[in-house]
Amino acid sequence: DAEITQSPRHKITETGRQVTLACHQTWNHNNMFWYRQDLGHGLRLIHYSYGVHDTNKGEVSDGYSVSRSNTEDLPLTLESAASSQTSVYFCATSPGKTYEQYFGPGTRLTVT
Amino acid sequence: DAKTTQPTSMDCAEGRAANLPCNHSTISGNEYVYWYRQIHSQGPQYIIHGLKNNETNEMASLIITEDRKSSTLILPHATLRDTAVYYCIVRGFTGNQFYFGTGTSLTVIP
Repeated sequence: DAEITQSPRHKITETGRQVTLACHQTWNHNNMFWYRQDLGHGLRLIHYSYGVHDTNKGEVSDGYSVSRSNTEDLPLTLESAASSQTSVYFCATSPGKTYEQYFGPGTRLTVT
Repeated sequence: DAKTTQPTSMDCAEGRAANLPCNHSTISGNEYVYWYRQIHSQGPQYIIHGLKNNETNEMASLIITEDRKSSTLILPHATLRDTAVYYCIVRGFTGNQFYFGTGTSLTVIP
């Protein structure tokens, strides 16, 4: 069955370190998204991609970057982790711009 | 995207229908109503969406009023595994993201 996976599921890192969260999907969907979820803020969009080599900034993109070299993967990089980036991160995919999005299981990141 | 209003919490007896309301009085003509749910510590799960007609799938039914200012998600026979936070989201045809508010925390009681 097609699926979306995220790794690691849990990560603890120190302030200032570079961290990369992986997202891999076998749906063959063109659209991929990264959200973060924090208490009191719901889910907020970080970056998104509509296809290979396409990336776009979302609502809270500062301090994050993505690159899309193939259809299956959209890794999220925190260039220099900050305590404010402690959160649960969700990756999502969609077959098209107007379609529903399917979410991965999430990565819980703690920055100490 | 239009704002939605949902009750903070609801209870439902196991085996009964769960009816979750959502108000979206400022919805515009090209905006869809989506429902997602999030079970504790899991990613949001897509349930159903619609524009103006009622919709049904294997998980739930979506009833949208004729003026489209409100809708109801119906889980026909709630089980304990349906305990989750349910989000009603209104999104335009060209929207990029889904704006998840605080949702309705549904507890299914044995």
